[in-house]
Order: sequence, then C-alpha cells, then structure tokens
Amino acid sequence: AQSVTQLGSHVSVSEGALVLLRCNYSSSVPPYLFWYVQYPNQGLQLLLKYTSAATLVKGINGFEAEFKKSETSFHLTKPSAHMSDAAEYFCAVSEGSTLGRLYFGRGTQLTVWP
Amino acid sequence: EPEVTQTPSHQVTQMGQEVILRCVPISNHLYFYWYRQILGQKVEFLVSFYNNEISEKSEIFDDQFSVERPDGSNFTLKIRSTKLEDSAMYFCASPLWDQETQYFGPGTRLLVL
Repeated sequence: AQSVTQLGSHVSVSEGALVLLRCNYSSSVPPYLFWYVQYPNQGLQLLLKYTSAATLVKGINGFEAEFKKSETSFHLTKPSAHMSDAAEYFCAVSEGSTLGRLYFGRGTQLTVWP
Repeated sequence: EPEVTQTPSHQVTQMGQEVILRCVPISNHLYFYWYRQILGQKVEFLVSFYNNEISEKSEIFDDQFSVERPDGSNFTLKIRSTKLEDSAMYFCASPLWDQETQYFGPGTRLLVL
C-alpha cells in the first residue's frame, strides 16, 4: 500500500531563509508525486508534480522539489522564504496514473518570521 | 488557476440528519473526486467518479455515503444519516482536461452535533 510521511508537522524559518519541507513515500510501482499548499480557509492548491520526466521539478511561487528514487523522497525547497509562504503544505502520491486516488501526508505547517 | 466551486462553505447538522454537499467541477471532465479532512488529520480519499460511475472508493465510503451527478455539471456527495465522526472538511476535486492533475475546491466544513 502507498503511504506518505512528512517529517515535521511544523517548520519555522526566517524571511529570506531556505525552506525545506520533507516528504518520503512508499509505493510498489513508480509513483506520481505532488505537493499541494493550503492557505487559511482555502482549498488545496497544486504547487508542483512529478510524473517521471525530469527529477527536479519546478513549481509556482519559486518552489521546487527533487525526486530521489534511492531515498524514496520528494522534498520541497525554496531558496528564500517570503512571509506569503506561510501555509500548510501537503505531499501526496498516486500510483499508475495522475488521475488515481491521492494518498496524502499529514501536512507541514510553515511559519515565516519577519 | 481553474476553479472548482463547492456549496455550502459551512454546514451544521444534527446527528442522524441527511446532508448533501455540492460541487461544480471544472467543466466537461469525466473524472471527479471527493476527499475529506478531519480536523488535525490527513486528507483522505473517499471516492472517484468516472463517466457517471464510481471508479474507486475507500473503506471510509460505506453505505451511508453516495455520489450523484444530478445534472450535467453538478456533483453531489450525500451522507444519509450523519454521525459525529463525519465532522470534517469535505473537498471535491476535478482535473483539467489537458493536464490530468486534480484541482481542489475550497471545501465544505461539516459540523455534526
């Protein structure tokens, strides 16, 4: 069965600092991987996705993630945090198709200090 | 970004009552999904709907739940007899026709008293 583990339910960084949100997955077949962001009182917004093309994926708002098969990881990074990045971030995986059911991690709440 | 809409945004109901949650997906796509997020827990898959039929459902999606497409554009999730543990945020999701990525609506927050 697939599963997603997000290490750290809360991450705090200073504005301008590197953001690193960790995601590890388990999957019996090559996975499709996603990062979604949820701002307060809003739905889930897609940040980026990995679909077996380039292992380094660039998304919106300056975020990127690297798929590392050997580590079963798909960590999300941003070189310089902005106050507007404060939100909850969810890693998700699906098998077989990007249209298959998504399995989500528990989420990481990102706080950005001025 | 394309928009999936959901109504109502909030609903409060008494235990045992029926609720219907509505969603208008990105138009003309055959795939449709419902997920839920209990407060403090992860987002969980409920059901996927393809071409007017359920294509997959999770163990959560028991006989108390049903999905319908009452007209050409709206989808509904019905909970026949709500329980306290049904209190959650319910999200619908729909792909863009050419991107095969699930886009989520803003959610309906359901509170069962």
